[in-house]
Amino acid sequence: QSALTQPRSVSGSPGQSVTISCTGTYSNIGVNTAVSWYQQHPGKVPKVMIYDITKRPSGVPDRFSGSKSDNTASLTISGLQAEDEADYYCCSYAGGNTVVFGGGTTLTVL
Amino acid sequence: EVQLVESGGGLVQPGGSLRLSCAASGFTFSSYWMFWVRQAPGKGLEWVANINQDGYESHYVDSVKGRFTVSRDNAKNSLYLQMNSLRGEDTAVYYCARDDGGSYPTTLEWWGQGTLVTVSS
Repeated sequence: QSALTQPRSVSGSPGQSVTISCTGTYSNIGVNTAVSWYQQHPGKVPKVMIYDITKRPSGVPDRFSGSKSDNTASLTISGLQAEDEADYYCCSYAGGNTVVFGGGTTLTVL
Repeated sequence: EVQLVESGGGLVQPGGSLRLSCAASGFTFSSYWMFWVRQAPGKGLEWVANINQDGYESHYVDSVKGRFTVSRDNAKNSLYLQMNSLRGEDTAVYYCARDDGGSYPTTLEWWGQGTLVTVSS
């Protein structure tokens, strides 16, 4: 049940693109498509932004996209906006009907 | 509209017990996996436990196994977390969350506002 590994922080200027990585193992990210990403603003409830690696819930801007390569999933935010400044968490199905979260990444919009 | 409302948090001494509740509405509660997720002050999200639709299957993070028990009452549209032998490291906001309804519990689609549990003497 080791947490997935994310960078502690990333930053970018408005209009730029940033990518947040999430590294796991073959037994979680590597073998399944159930990777999701959550955005959490300070003092607020987490919100799902991406699920099943690449899918966006209705209402989530298409500036948010997800991908996966081997044991690493990624969240890319293009056309960065001030409102995107938040903490982001990845989450993967880990087998046996359990899940595991990443440690979280703080995105700063410069 | 989906609503999840947690209650039962508070201050408890180390070694004590607390029972959290989550009242669900706006969806067919008995059709979904449900989760408890916690967030210690200034820290990240941690999956704590989940339970399947009929309540006969549940899973826990290693650090709470043997101390916490997740349960549900589908007739009352309610989820519970019984927490025993509480430790300082259990201090956190505890969120109730609903799965997105897939075959496996994978995506936490809806979240409650959370309830704060503080373990301190």
